[in-house]
Amino acid sequence: SQQGEEDPQALSIQEGENATMNCSYKTSINNLQWYRQNSGRGLVHLILIRSNEREKHSGRLRVTLDTSKKSSSLLITASRAADTASYFCATDDKIIFGKGTRLHILP
Amino acid sequence: DTGVSQDPRHKITKRGQNVTFRCDPISEHNRLYWYRQTLGQGPEFLTYFQNEAQLEKSRLLSDRFSAERPKGSFSTLEIQRTEQGDSAMYLCASSLDVREEQYFGPGTRLTVT
Repeated sequence: SQQGEEDPQALSIQEGENATMNCSYKTSINNLQWYRQNSGRGLVHLILIRSNEREKHSGRLRVTLDTSKKSSSLLITASRAADTASYFCATDDKIIFGKGTRLHILP
Repeated sequence: DTGVSQDPRHKITKRGQNVTFRCDPISEHNRLYWYRQTLGQGPEFLTYFQNEAQLEKSRLLSDRFSAERPKGSFSTLEIQRTEQGDSAMYLCASSLDVREEQYFGPGTRLTVT
């Protein structure tokens, strides 16, 4: 079974709004990673957060990690059309992916 | 710098034929991973290498699948006697070391007719 499960499965927002997606996992982790995949393309690594970190920022991205709840969230602020993609969370070095959140930014 | 490259980008083959894909990782990366992705799903782990050693294989990797990384650099993934269910995107990724971020190649899209 897949370790990471993203929520929601799909999200549509207006350009300029913030987008939040969540990830839950089942077992203890050393790190959690978020990836983006544009339609028909390869995956791009966005951010890695280690188990001893609670929050991390990278540009318009903010990731939180709650190991007690085994969950993480990815916030994209001031969304742009180019953010339209599928977003995946993955855990640890073997990288077990969920099914992803499909984010659609409306003009 | 070149990222992870994969060849070919697309492969169409008839059922029963053998196919081989190649992955060239980022040069200093010790770890190399293979994944399979079908439409609407996240990537599924197939196998990974630490240098030339294949350390783990998924149950998804049937006897028809074999992967090698002979000199700890590039890797090949071979599928023998292809079936229509093998149609998918095959992704390769590399990382500097364990528990570091992975860098993905563009993938090889396999279509089995």
